[in-house]
Amino acid sequence: DAGITQSPRHKVTETGTPVTLRCHQTENHRYMYWYRQDPGHGLRLIHYSYGVKDTDKGEVSDGYSVSRSKTEDFLLTLESATSSQTSVYFCAISERTGGETQYFGPGTRLLVL
Amino acid sequence: GEDVEQSLFLSVREGDSSVINCTYTDSSSTYLYWYKQEPGAGLQLLTYIFSNMDMKQDQRLTVLLNKKDKHLSLRIADTQTGDSAIYFCAETYGNNRLAFGKGNQVVVIP
Repeated sequence: DAGITQSPRHKVTETGTPVTLRCHQTENHRYMYWYRQDPGHGLRLIHYSYGVKDTDKGEVSDGYSVSRSKTEDFLLTLESATSSQTSVYFCAISERTGGETQYFGPGTRLLVL
Repeated sequence: GEDVEQSLFLSVREGDSSVINCTYTDSSSTYLYWYKQEPGAGLQLLTYIFSNMDMKQDQRLTVLLNKKDKHLSLRIADTQTGDSAIYFCAETYGNNRLAFGKGNQVVVIP
């Protein structure tokens, strides 16, 4: 397995509180991604990063922000969590060496009450 | 994002072959992927096919690509109980991004 960890693995929080999820990689890959997975929707891209301090929005970025201050860490922040952000969040990494294969972390299950 | 379509559910008897289908939208996709997700786990890369290929075989897995119809399929030969999972197809688009289908749940009946 690619060296990707996510923390926390599970979190329960209340509406209106800030939440930060962390993705850490040991592969020195350039690209990092945050997805959410919901029944009936598959995986949807929230934000991604193509280098340190270089990030861009995905298809469902509203209510989320990201930061990447070092190659190995990509943080996803919910500034004020809402119940609609209850989901499973996956981080992925890729290194563009002729392809765009992405490798996934184990996921973070977030419940917003 | 792109629109990748998959059927939702397939049940198959152990030892039979299973076929999962997917249609994609971006004819300029460089690679097309199949990922497997077991319960409570992340997505695991199963196999991929380069867009200039029609077929790729990898042990029990056969990927067929019909570029004219933008149709991708995954055949699993001699399906085992460990193959029970959700399978996602994905296509490349934009700047190193992937668009995923909604997934196809495969249940293997012993």
